[in-house]
Amino acid sequence: GAGVSQTPSNKVTEKGKYVELRCDPISGHTALYWYRQSLGQGPEFLIYFQGTGAADDSGLPNDRFFAVRPEGSVSTLKIQRTERGDSAVYLCASSETGAGNSPLHFGNGTRLTVT
Amino acid sequence: RKEVEQDPGPFNVPEGATVAFNCTYSNSASQSFFWYRQDCRKEPKLLMSVYSSGNEDGRFTAQLNRASQYISLLIRDSKLSDSATYLCVVLTGGFKTIFGAGTRLFVKA
Repeated sequence: GAGVSQTPSNKVTEKGKYVELRCDPISGHTALYWYRQSLGQGPEFLIYFQGTGAADDSGLPNDRFFAVRPEGSVSTLKIQRTERGDSAVYLCASSETGAGNSPLHFGNGTRLTVT
Repeated sequence: RKEVEQDPGPFNVPEGATVAFNCTYSNSASQSFFWYRQDCRKEPKLLMSVYSSGNEDGRFTAQLNRASQYISLLIRDSKLSDSATYLCVVLTGGFKTIFGAGTRLFVKA
């Protein structure tokens, strides 16, 4: 079946602009995660959704970052007033339940470059 | 202190070698543990879960020591195709899944 889909695969934007990154999880997966990965680092937790609600947003670096999942399926990560330091690969993952026995399935990521 | 710490490597080993990676975690209430594999410019993929009693999957063996808050991964008879970054992953605080920075492995002919 279809895996996790992320769009766009690449995004180049100018400093100060607004961007939206989209994640389409595996159908039926209730848990959805956003991570950010910089070169040579592991994925850094940003936010976790269980259904429509953000169960844990403790990883969002500041109030320029916001994510929604209005219908409990597709999620959008929104970044306002982008900065060069926001450049990274943004990974989305879904899992069937979010519990310990439910592995994460990742999308291919969106590579964001802020110039 | 980072929540999950790994030796970044790189580990350079010949084909057929046995190699072990270690990982420590800081939250004693962590519930579940995993090893993920990530190839260059690809997304992470689950390699194996780590159970308290230790578990094996072919050439791969994972161990957990809750008292020392330590996880390990052993790869026997290394193959060229094992070259990748190995990520230690800990589920903590309910559903928060935390990744280590990864250990890079290069297996050479």
